[in-house]
Amino acid sequence: DAGVTQSPTHLIKTRGQQVTLRCSPKSGHDTVSWYQQALGQGPQFIFQYYEEEERQRGNFPDRFSGHQFPNYSSELNVNALLLGDSALYLCASSQLRQGGYEQYFGPGTRLTVT
Amino acid sequence: DAKTTQPTSMDCAEGRAANLPCNHSTISGNEYVYWYRQIHSQGPQYIIHGLKNNETNEMASLIITEDRKSSTLILPHATLRDTAVYYCIASNNAGNMLTFGGGTRLMVKP
Repeated sequence: DAGVTQSPTHLIKTRGQQVTLRCSPKSGHDTVSWYQQALGQGPQFIFQYYEEEERQRGNFPDRFSGHQFPNYSSELNVNALLLGDSALYLCASSQLRQGGYEQYFGPGTRLTVT
Repeated sequence: DAKTTQPTSMDCAEGRAANLPCNHSTISGNEYVYWYRQIHSQGPQYIIHGLKNNETNEMASLIITEDRKSSTLILPHATLRDTAVYYCIASNNAGNMLTFGGGTRLMVKP
Protein backbone atom coordinates (compact mmCIF):
# COMPACT_ATOMS: atom_id res chain seq x y z
CA ASP A 1 0.00 0.00 0.00
CA ALA A 2 1.57 3.25 -1.14
CA GLY A 3 1.66 6.01 1.40
CA VAL A 4 1.30 9.68 0.60
CA THR A 5 3.17 10.62 -2.55
CA GLN A 6 4.16 14.06 -3.75
CA SER A 7 5.59 15.43 -6.96
CA PRO A 8 7.93 16.83 -7.93
CA THR A 9 10.61 16.19 -5.33
CA HIS A 10 12.48 19.40 -6.02
CA LEU A 11 11.61 22.49 -7.97
CA ILE A 12 13.40 25.74 -8.79
CA LYS A 13 11.37 28.76 -9.88
CA THR A 14 11.97 32.45 -10.45
CA ARG A 15 10.26 35.28 -8.58
CA GLY A 16 6.89 36.14 -10.10
CA GLN A 17 6.34 32.71 -11.62
CA GLN A 18 3.58 30.27 -10.73
CA VAL A 19 3.98 26.73 -9.43
CA THR A 20 1.77 23.66 -9.03
CA LEU A 21 2.56 20.89 -6.57
CA ARG A 22 0.78 17.56 -6.52
CA CYS A 23 -0.21 15.09 -3.84
CA SER A 24 -1.76 11.63 -3.84
CA PRO A 25 -3.19 10.59 -0.48
CA LYS A 26 -2.76 7.27 1.24
CA SER A 27 -5.21 4.67 -0.03
CA GLY A 28 -8.57 4.98 1.70
CA HIS A 29 -8.00 8.55 2.87
CA ASP A 30 -10.46 11.28 1.95
CA THR A 31 -8.82 14.45 3.27
CA VAL A 32 -5.69 16.29 2.18
CA SER A 33 -3.91 19.05 4.09
CA TRP A 34 -1.01 21.18 2.91
CA TYR A 35 1.77 22.59 5.08
CA GLN A 36 4.70 24.91 4.46
CA GLN A 37 7.93 24.32 6.35
CA ALA A 38 10.64 26.95 6.24
CA LEU A 39 14.18 25.90 7.09
CA GLY A 40 14.62 25.27 10.82
CA GLN A 41 10.95 25.75 11.67
CA GLY A 42 7.94 23.54 12.26
CA PRO A 43 5.37 23.03 9.50
CA GLN A 44 2.72 25.75 9.09
CA PHE A 45 -0.80 24.81 8.02
CA ILE A 46 -1.90 26.23 4.66
CA PHE A 47 -5.29 24.63 4.02
CA GLN A 48 -7.25 21.40 4.03
CA TYR A 49 -9.50 19.85 1.37
CA TYR A 50 -12.36 17.43 1.93
CA GLU A 51 -15.01 16.40 -0.61
CA GLU A 52 -13.34 18.65 -3.17
CA GLU A 53 -13.85 21.77 -1.07
CA GLU A 54 -11.55 23.86 1.06
CA ARG A 55 -12.57 22.98 4.58
CA GLN A 56 -10.13 25.00 6.65
CA ARG A 57 -7.47 27.59 5.89
CA GLY A 58 -4.45 28.90 7.74
CA ASN A 59 -2.98 32.37 7.63
CA PHE A 60 -1.77 32.35 4.04
CA PRO A 61 -2.54 34.89 1.28
CA ASP A 62 -4.81 34.23 -1.67
CA ARG A 63 -1.74 33.56 -3.81
CA PHE A 64 -1.95 30.10 -2.31
CA SER A 65 -4.82 28.09 -3.74
CA GLY A 66 -5.66 24.46 -4.08
CA HIS A 67 -7.87 21.85 -5.53
CA GLN A 68 -9.01 18.35 -4.70
CA PHE A 69 -10.06 15.91 -7.38
CA PRO A 70 -12.75 13.20 -7.22
CA ASN A 71 -10.04 10.58 -6.61
CA TYR A 72 -8.99 12.60 -3.51
CA SER A 73 -5.67 13.70 -4.96
CA SER A 74 -4.84 17.37 -4.58
CA GLU A 75 -2.87 20.25 -6.04
CA LEU A 76 -1.34 23.29 -4.38
CA ASN A 77 -0.90 26.35 -6.59
CA VAL A 78 1.19 29.36 -5.68
CA ASN A 79 1.04 32.47 -7.87
CA ALA A 80 3.44 35.41 -8.07
CA LEU A 81 6.20 33.58 -6.24
CA LEU A 82 8.26 35.47 -3.68
CA LEU A 83 11.70 34.59 -2.36
CA GLY A 84 10.02 33.90 0.99
CA ASP A 85 7.98 31.11 -0.56
CA SER A 86 11.11 28.97 -0.65
CA ALA A 87 10.33 26.06 1.67
CA LEU A 88 9.48 22.40 1.97
CA TYR A 89 5.82 21.87 1.07
CA LEU A 90 4.25 18.93 2.81
CA CYS A 91 1.03 17.13 2.04
CA ALA A 92 -0.79 15.12 4.70
CA SER A 93 -3.76 12.84 4.29
CA SER A 94 -6.25 11.48 6.77
CA GLN A 95 -9.55 9.70 6.93
CA LEU A 96 -11.93 12.32 8.26
CA ARG A 97 -14.89 9.98 8.31
CA GLN A 98 -12.95 7.90 10.87
CA GLY A 99 -12.04 10.89 12.99
CA GLY A 100 -8.89 11.87 11.15
CA TYR A 101 -6.75 11.52 14.25
CA GLU A 102 -3.74 10.23 12.37
CA GLN A 103 -2.39 12.37 9.60
CA TYR A 104 0.10 10.75 7.25
CA PHE A 105 2.64 13.03 5.66
CA GLY A 106 4.37 12.72 2.32
CA PRO A 107 8.09 13.34 1.80
CA GLY A 108 7.48 16.89 0.62
CA THR A 109 8.41 19.05 -2.34
CA ARG A 110 11.41 21.32 -1.89
CA LEU A 111 10.67 24.63 -3.64
CA THR A 112 13.45 27.12 -4.23
CA VAL A 113 12.56 30.58 -5.52
CA THR A 114 15.42 32.59 -7.00
CA ASP B 1 -5.46 25.06 20.27
CA ALA B 2 -3.59 25.14 23.56
CA LYS B 3 0.03 26.26 23.51
CA THR B 4 2.59 23.55 24.24
CA THR B 5 6.08 23.97 25.65
CA GLN B 6 8.89 21.50 25.03
CA PRO B 7 12.62 21.51 25.75
CA THR B 8 14.62 22.56 22.72
CA SER B 9 16.88 19.53 22.77
CA MET B 10 17.61 16.30 24.62
CA ASP B 11 20.16 13.53 24.46
CA CYS B 12 19.56 9.84 25.13
CA ALA B 13 21.87 6.83 25.18
CA GLU B 14 21.10 4.11 22.69
CA GLY B 15 19.08 1.30 24.29
CA ARG B 16 17.84 3.47 27.11
CA ALA B 17 14.35 4.91 27.47
CA ALA B 18 13.84 8.37 26.06
CA ASN B 19 11.37 10.47 28.04
CA LEU B 20 10.21 13.60 26.24
CA PRO B 21 8.19 16.06 28.32
CA CYS B 22 5.54 18.49 27.14
CA ASN B 23 3.69 21.17 29.07
CA HIS B 24 0.17 22.16 27.99
CA SER B 25 -1.14 23.94 31.08
CA THR B 26 -4.00 25.69 29.22
CA ILE B 27 -5.35 22.56 27.57
CA SER B 28 -9.13 22.34 27.53
CA GLY B 29 -11.18 19.28 28.30
CA ASN B 30 -11.84 18.29 24.73
CA GLU B 31 -8.31 18.76 23.41
CA TYR B 32 -6.25 15.74 22.52
CA VAL B 33 -2.48 15.53 22.89
CA TYR B 34 -0.74 14.42 19.69
CA TRP B 35 2.87 13.49 19.14
CA TYR B 36 4.60 13.55 15.77
CA ARG B 37 8.25 13.27 14.88
CA GLN B 38 10.26 14.42 11.91
CA ILE B 39 13.43 12.70 10.89
CA HIS B 40 15.77 14.91 8.92
CA SER B 41 14.55 15.72 5.40
CA GLN B 42 11.41 13.61 5.75
CA GLY B 43 7.75 14.45 6.38
CA PRO B 44 6.45 14.29 9.97
CA GLN B 45 5.38 10.89 11.23
CA TYR B 46 2.41 10.29 13.52
CA ILE B 47 3.42 8.56 16.76
CA ILE B 48 0.50 8.53 19.18
CA HIS B 49 -2.34 10.57 20.62
CA GLY B 50 -4.43 10.58 23.79
CA LEU B 51 -7.13 12.45 25.68
CA LYS B 52 -7.05 11.42 29.34
CA ASN B 53 -5.79 7.88 29.68
CA ASN B 54 -2.28 6.69 29.11
CA GLU B 55 -1.80 5.18 25.68
CA THR B 56 0.66 2.67 24.24
CA ASN B 57 1.31 1.45 20.74
CA GLU B 58 4.14 -0.29 18.93
CA MET B 59 6.17 2.89 18.75
CA ALA B 60 5.77 4.60 22.11
CA SER B 61 3.83 5.23 25.30
CA LEU B 62 2.05 8.44 26.18
CA ILE B 63 1.64 9.35 29.84
CA ILE B 64 -0.79 12.21 30.58
CA THR B 65 -0.94 13.66 34.07
CA GLU B 66 -4.23 13.50 35.90
CA ASP B 67 -4.76 17.27 35.60
CA ARG B 68 -3.81 16.99 31.88
CA LYS B 69 -1.45 19.94 32.15
CA SER B 70 1.54 17.94 31.00
CA SER B 71 2.46 14.72 29.26
CA THR B 72 5.48 12.56 28.54
CA LEU B 73 6.26 10.58 25.45
CA ILE B 74 8.31 7.48 26.20
CA LEU B 75 10.39 5.61 23.66
CA PRO B 76 11.20 2.48 25.67
CA HIS B 77 14.43 1.45 23.95
CA ALA B 78 15.79 4.31 21.88
CA THR B 79 17.80 3.51 18.77
CA LEU B 80 19.92 5.73 16.56
CA ARG B 81 17.01 5.82 14.10
CA ASP B 82 14.90 7.60 16.73
CA THR B 83 17.06 10.71 16.34
CA ALA B 84 14.53 13.31 15.19
CA VAL B 85 12.56 16.42 16.12
CA TYR B 86 9.56 15.47 18.27
CA TYR B 87 6.48 17.68 18.23
CA CYS B 88 3.82 17.76 20.95
CA ILE B 89 0.50 19.26 19.78
CA ALA B 90 -2.71 19.93 21.69
CA SER B 91 -5.80 20.19 19.53
CA ASN B 92 -9.55 19.72 19.80
CA ASN B 93 -9.93 19.61 16.06
CA ALA B 94 -9.59 15.96 15.23
CA GLY B 95 -8.66 15.71 11.62
CA ASN B 96 -8.12 19.42 11.31
CA MET B 97 -5.04 21.59 11.19
CA LEU B 98 -2.05 20.73 13.32
CA THR B 99 -0.21 23.64 14.94
CA PHE B 100 3.46 22.70 15.17
CA GLY B 101 5.76 24.49 17.57
CA GLY B 102 9.52 24.21 17.69
CA GLY B 103 9.58 20.66 19.02
CA THR B 104 12.34 18.82 20.87
CA ARG B 105 15.41 17.73 18.98
CA LEU B 106 16.24 14.28 20.35
CA MET B 107 19.73 13.01 19.73
CA VAL B 108 20.25 9.30 20.44
CA LYS B 109 23.92 8.58 21.00
CA PRO B 110 25.78 5.26 20.82
